[in-house]
Amino acid sequence: EVQLVESGGGLVQPGRSLRLSCVASGFNFDEYAMHWVRQLPGKGLEWVSGISSNGHSIGYGHSVSGRFSISRDNAKNSVYLYMYSLTTEDTALYYCAKATCGGESCHSVAYNWLDPWGHGTLVTVSS
Amino acid sequence: QMTQSPSSLSAFVGDRVTITCRASQRIDGYLNWYQQKPGKAPKVLMYGAVNLQSGVPSRFSGSGSEIVFTLTISNLQSEDSAIYYCQQSYSTPITFGGGTKVEIK
Repeated sequence: EVQLVESGGGLVQPGRSLRLSCVASGFNFDEYAMHWVRQLPGKGLEWVSGISSNGHSIGYGHSVSGRFSISRDNAKNSVYLYMYSLTTEDTALYYCAKATCGGESCHSVAYNWLDPWGHGTLVTVSS
Repeated sequence: QMTQSPSSLSAFVGDRVTITCRASQRIDGYLNWYQQKPGKAPKVLMYGAVNLQSGVPSRFSGSGSEIVFTLTISNLQSEDSAIYYCQQSYSTPITFGGGTKVEIK
């Protein structure tokens, strides 16, 4: 069974940094791109970032570009989201999701769908 | 950018409902639909615009190809009460529609 478990969320002051982690199991992690998606309280879904299976191709949403950084460690089956210069507008539930292309691998950040998703980790930015 | 409509709808059990998603440019069928219920993570319903995810009831269907896409729920059931999102995966930044809240009368 594919499982994604996020961690690292919590209460942080504006201007500070935070690192989120997502540990994956149940599939060949190094064959799949991974994504971070967030959901602001009571709002819709916003794509935050994605990383290809080998980590060489990365994309960011407009609102986080230049402040957030994604990386992965295939030896640890983990993907990370480094969040810098946090503002109250970054308060959200952050989901980790696996890219799926219908086959045994899905290397690219694009041309796929997100399945499954983790349960999310809540980030609250407040003074 | 993905423009989804309506933002909400209310219908009776057994009704047929349609949700529309319009892309700001061609996305060549790289359009996915997700269902999210309260307190839960989203789940994929349709991928590649017209393909039903395994395990999803056949009353869900999708259509569209370049810019305008639709999700149709035939024979609406009470368990279909949820928020539905479209998402394009043609290019980064990947984008989601604003969501459609489906309520059962």
